[in-house]
Amino acid sequence: DAGVIQSPRHEVTEMGQEVTLRCKPISGHNSLFWYRQTMMRGLELLIYFNNNVPIDDSGMPEDRFSAKMPNASFSTLKIQPSEPRDSAVYFCASSWAGINSPLHFGNGTRLTVT
Amino acid sequence: RKEVEQDPGPFNVPEGATVAFNCTYSNSASQSFFWYRQDCRKEPKLLMSVYSSGNEDGRFTAQLNRASQYISLLIRDSKLSDSATYLCVVNAQQAGTALIFGKGTTLSVSS
Repeated sequence: DAGVIQSPRHEVTEMGQEVTLRCKPISGHNSLFWYRQTMMRGLELLIYFNNNVPIDDSGMPEDRFSAKMPNASFSTLKIQPSEPRDSAVYFCASSWAGINSPLHFGNGTRLTVT
Repeated sequence: RKEVEQDPGPFNVPEGATVAFNCTYSNSASQSFFWYRQDCRKEPKLLMSVYSSGNEDGRFTAQLNRASQYISLLIRDSKLSDSATYLCVVNAQQAGTALIFGKGTTLSVSS
């Protein structure tokens, strides 16, 4: 079975540039989550979708961050403009039954903003 | 008080040792609890769910204490391959941030 697929694996960009991270959840899972991980703050939930609808975006840092889920098999997280403090590993995860069922994580995207 | 707190460690133990981690949570409305394992530079992976009555999976035992608001993970007969960071996850099941991860406890098992 294919797991959660994220792309790119690594992204290096300059401050001010737009960054788009992509995620394909596990087929049949109805919930999708975007997390960010840093040494200082650990894993932070940015946003999660249930049946393609954003349910909780309280973790999105600011207006520079946006996330979409146009269909059940694809989601994007966009940062525009990017800043050095956005450097982190961004994980996408999916689950079959929302926040009460275990999460399956993708390999993550390691973002470096210089 | 932080929502989910873990001792970051590291816990350095020899092979064969028994080691236990605790995780405290602040929201008494929390309803679901999990332990995840994360290897260096890898994604977190579910280790086990934590049930009210406690549960065991091979060498791993998880316990929940609602009165004191903590969960625990016990690893018996530690193996080198158990070396990883163990993340505690709590679900508040209410409006707002739903799944909260602790920062993790690092375990290093040596031969």
